[in-house]
Amino acid sequence: SQQGEEDPQALSIQEGENATMNCSYKTSINNLQWYRQNSGRGLVHLILIRSNEREKHSGRLRVTLDTSKKSSSLLITASRAADTASYFCATAYMKSSGDKLTFGTGTRLAVRP
Amino acid sequence: GAVVSQHPSRVICKSGTSVKIECRSLDFQATTMFWYRQFPKKSLMLMATSNEGSKATYEQGVEKDKFLINHASLTLSTLTVTSAHPEDSSFYICSAPPRGIPNYGYTFGSGTRLTVV
Repeated sequence: SQQGEEDPQALSIQEGENATMNCSYKTSINNLQWYRQNSGRGLVHLILIRSNEREKHSGRLRVTLDTSKKSSSLLITASRAADTASYFCATAYMKSSGDKLTFGTGTRLAVRP
Repeated sequence: GAVVSQHPSRVICKSGTSVKIECRSLDFQATTMFWYRQFPKKSLMLMATSNEGSKATYEQGVEKDKFLINHASLTLSTLTVTSAHPEDSSFYICSAPPRGIPNYGYTFGSGTRLTVV
């Protein structure tokens, strides 16, 4: 399986604190993406980092990528109750059948008001 | 932005019946659509890739005859679960890849919760 691993599996923090999630993957990639999923809903794209980039910011989100360690991290600063959701990393790699996404196991984040 | 509309959002069916799930790209043409399955509190597992005008590509272990995928037009892809059984109960999500725009993520449908009784 190409599926990556995320840790922690679950994270509970207080509103205002920072949340850090980590993702490891197994193959060479074109890019790595982070998605958010509210319970019972589809996924929303948060941020994409290319294989030749090391860090990227978007609002309260900061993503790092270490291709030598095949790992990435997502930092959410100044968390809010509305950030409560599951977060997935996904890697894109070229296959003969096209650029497919492979998802990590996910981190369930709970932000307490 | 790109929007993928997925219907129905929830469906309950009896064992042995078939269920069709539709995904439509509303403001763009999707030549490719990915179909995922998700179990409770688990990750997304890619089932198959549909391509407009050609046969779908299935992932290893996915039964082609059970999960029929059709990509009839540039805006519509369908997944039909045939002869459904309780073990087919799951959350099914479709996704369209980015349209060649740099740093653009994939667009997902809102998902379909299938319950087979």
